[in-house]
Amino acid sequence: QVKLQQSGAELVKPGASVKLSCKTSGYTFSTSYMSWFKQIPGQSIEWIGMIYAGDGGTGYNQKFKGKATLTVDTSSSTAYMDLSSLTTEDSAVYFCARGANWFAYWGQGTLVTVSS
Amino acid sequence: DIQMTQSPASLSASLEEIVTITCQASQDIGNWLAWYQQKPGKSPQLLIYGATSLADGVPSRFSGSRSGTQYSLKISRLQVEDPGIYYCLQGYSAPWTFGGGTKLELK
Repeated sequence: QVKLQQSGAELVKPGASVKLSCKTSGYTFSTSYMSWFKQIPGQSIEWIGMIYAGDGGTGYNQKFKGKATLTVDTSSSTAYMDLSSLTTEDSAVYFCARGANWFAYWGQGTLVTVSS
Repeated sequence: DIQMTQSPASLSASLEEIVTITCQASQDIGNWLAWYQQKPGKSPQLLIYGATSLADGVPSRFSGSRSGTQYSLKISRLQVEDPGIYYCLQGYSAPWTFGGGTKLELK
């Protein structure tokens, strides 16, 4: 069955960077899209961007350009998201989800807390 | 960006009651609309895609409809497992955008 397993919670200092992972199984990773989302607790969800694992092609929400960088490792069927120059406004739960438009499979989410 | 205006923001309903949630798109998005349910501490679950298609494994009491740029999610007979937060998502024009959410509670 399709599984997306995200990395554990992160506590990071302002100005630092963090790399989140989303390890997949149960489907052909290399011919699929992976999307990433941000949700501040108690608020709605934002789409960050997506990546096509076949060629690494990406599409970003303009709001997150320069903040998020999406990559994949097809040898391990894992997607990554780098978040840079973190501020307290980046504290949120980040989800990966398989697909480009419809998202039937989601990771469990990674809580990122930015605090000194 | 396309704005998705979702209503109501919160809703309290009784078991077996019919519940309707709506999303108004700021421009034409065709049928590029999905509905998700999210429970506390969990990731969203796809309910409806393509405005009207039921996702695999979703009970048939959930249905989606479209009238122009207004989209609706209907729960025909509310069940005890249905409370949560419901979101619409447009996937027509990047950036994809969500509605503000509807918190559904049991009365």
